[in-house]
Amino acid sequence: EVQLVQSGGGLVQPGGSLRLSCAASGFSFSNYWMHWVRQVPGKGLVWVARIDTDGDITTYADSVKGRFTISRDNAKNTLYLQMTSLRAEDTAVYYCARSRSSFDPWGQGSLVTVSS
Amino acid sequence: EVVLTQSPGTLSLSPGERATLSCRASQSVTSNYVAWYQQKPGQAPRLLMYGASSRATGIPDRFSGSGSGTDFTLTISRLEPEDIAVYYCQQYGSSPPWTFGQGTKVEIK
Repeated sequence: EVQLVQSGGGLVQPGGSLRLSCAASGFSFSNYWMHWVRQVPGKGLVWVARIDTDGDITTYADSVKGRFTISRDNAKNTLYLQMTSLRAEDTAVYYCARSRSSFDPWGQGSLVTVSS
Repeated sequence: EVVLTQSPGTLSLSPGERATLSCRASQSVTSNYVAWYQQKPGQAPRLLMYGASSRATGIPDRFSGSGSGTDFTLTISRLEPEDIAVYYCQQYGSSPPWTFGQGTKVEIK
């Protein structure tokens, strides 16, 4: 079964850091681009970051550029999102997703709450 | 950036009725690279359609997609109670950034 299992969310103070993980199974992880998408509770979906198959090319939404880093370890079949200088407006559920074109499947989501 | 505008915001229908969801792009979407996702409360989004009109694996044939250029439609031919969800369109033809519509909530009348 193709599956993405996320870990690493939680409560963090403004200015703090947090790392999300997304463990892939059931498919050849190294053959796919991967993305992070976030969703403020009750609101819509917003794309955050993308990484290519080798990890050489990364792209970010303007809102997180310079603060978030997407990376992957193909030997461990795991995607990461390192988040630094967190702000209240980064509070959201973060999803990882596999893509060749459209996004499928998605991880179960990790809630990140930025609050003092 | 391609902006996607979905309408209506909320659709209230009875079981068995036809649901028509619209997604309009601010500019023509390359190769009709539009996807539709279903998100039920407390769950992650699930891919329904890709390439505007191709159903994803395991999606019932009461779901269909159509459109080209700037106007795209998701149709649920006969609404079932389990179809209650928020539906999002996405374009992946002019990316980055990958953009989503704001969603259409489908509820039972």
